[in-house]
Order: sequence, then structure tokens, then C-alpha cells
Amino acid sequence: DTGVSQNPRHKITKRGQNVTFRCDPISEHNRLYWYRQTLGQGPEFLTYFQNEAQLEKSRLLSDRFSAERPKGSFSTLEIQRTEQGDSAMYLCASSLGGWARAYEQYFGPGTRLTVT
Amino acid sequence: AQRVTQPEKLLSVFKGAPVELKCNYSYSGSPELFWYVQYSRQRLQLLLRHISRESIKGFTADLNKGETSFHLKKPFAQEEDSAMYYCALSLSGGTSYGKLTFGQGTILTVHP
Repeated sequence: DTGVSQNPRHKITKRGQNVTFRCDPISEHNRLYWYRQTLGQGPEFLTYFQNEAQLEKSRLLSDRFSAERPKGSFSTLEIQRTEQGDSAMYLCASSLGGWARAYEQYFGPGTRLTVT
Repeated sequence: AQRVTQPEKLLSVFKGAPVELKCNYSYSGSPELFWYVQYSRQRLQLLLRHISRESIKGFTADLNKGETSFHLKKPFAQEEDSAMYYCALSLSGGTSYGKLTFGQGTILTVHP
């Protein structure tokens, strides 16, 4: 499978714990995006990278959230001191760069986080 | 800030009937508009984008800037069209291109 992969697929954690998710994009894609989706809602933009540079971060993202893409390949999203409101599906997507191709985003299967 | 509204959470039609999924947006500039689709047990994927003016799987969508709408249409629905459909918007310039704002989604069910 050469598509976007995400690990783990499911994560159950207790409130206050830290969690980290990983996303492996399609190899030739230099753009990588993180979205969050709660029940009954569409995906909500969190942040995105072009190569290793984090270009934009949503104002909705609290300081407890941090994302990295150290070598411009895979990315990690860490949530510190999880809260029940963090329970959601976390989606990763990748695309080629350049405005004409950046919109054709290929999504991963998502990581479902449940905070108890 | 930009916003996308899909007024129908659920839409049911019979096979062969026309279908229209509504999408309205609010943005003061010139946005790029898209439809993404998620079939059962599959990943979210791009269906079509307005600047391509393509017909994908029989679906078309016209950007109406006066009404700020981007409705998705198909003249004859098929059972395999049953899926969740999301309308999405992106800014067309600056560093935020590619950042998508999604609507809440519409679940389309096509009955035999």
C-alpha cells in the first residue's frame, strides 16, 4: 500500500496522559496536513507542513498540541495532558506542492483517540 | 474567516432520480471550491474541483459567486453513489493555499 498511513489506528488514554500519533505520507509528497474530525462534523484544519517547515497552525490549536516533521518525511502529532474534549479522529493528508496540486489531498485512515 | 455550510445532513433518493447536494460558502475573496467523498470503509478522497470543470462519475458542480454556492449535481443517481460528501473551500493565494475548510457533510443514500 503506497498511500498515507497513520499509526496507531486507535488510541485509548486516560485524561492527563500524553499521546503521540504518527503519519507517513506518500513518498513524493512534500506537503503534509493534520485535521481533526469530531462526530457529525467535517474535518477541521490543525496544521500543515511544506517539507520540514510548519507553515501554519490553527488558532484553535492549544499549546498542548505540537506537530513535527523533522526530515520532511513522516510527521508526529503530540497532545500533552489530554482532555476529554480531545477525543476525535485525527486525520493526516499529503499532497504535492504548488498551488495547482496542493488541493488534491490524499488522506490516511485516521487515528481515533478516546480520552477517558 | 471562511465558512462552508451544507444544510442537509441526510439526503435520500431512489436509483435513477436526480440528486443535488447543497453547499454554500462565505468568504470575501475568490475561493477554490471542492467536493470530497468518503465511501463506506474507505478514505476521504477528492471528487472534483470547480476550476477543472470536469464531470467525475457523472457528478458536476458549478460555482455561483452571486449566490456563494457550489452545489453538487448528478442527473441519475446510482446505488454506488451512496457515501458521505463534503464540500470544502480553500483560499486561492498566499501561504494558506491547500488549507481546506470543510462543511459538516451530507450522507447520501441511494435506494434501489
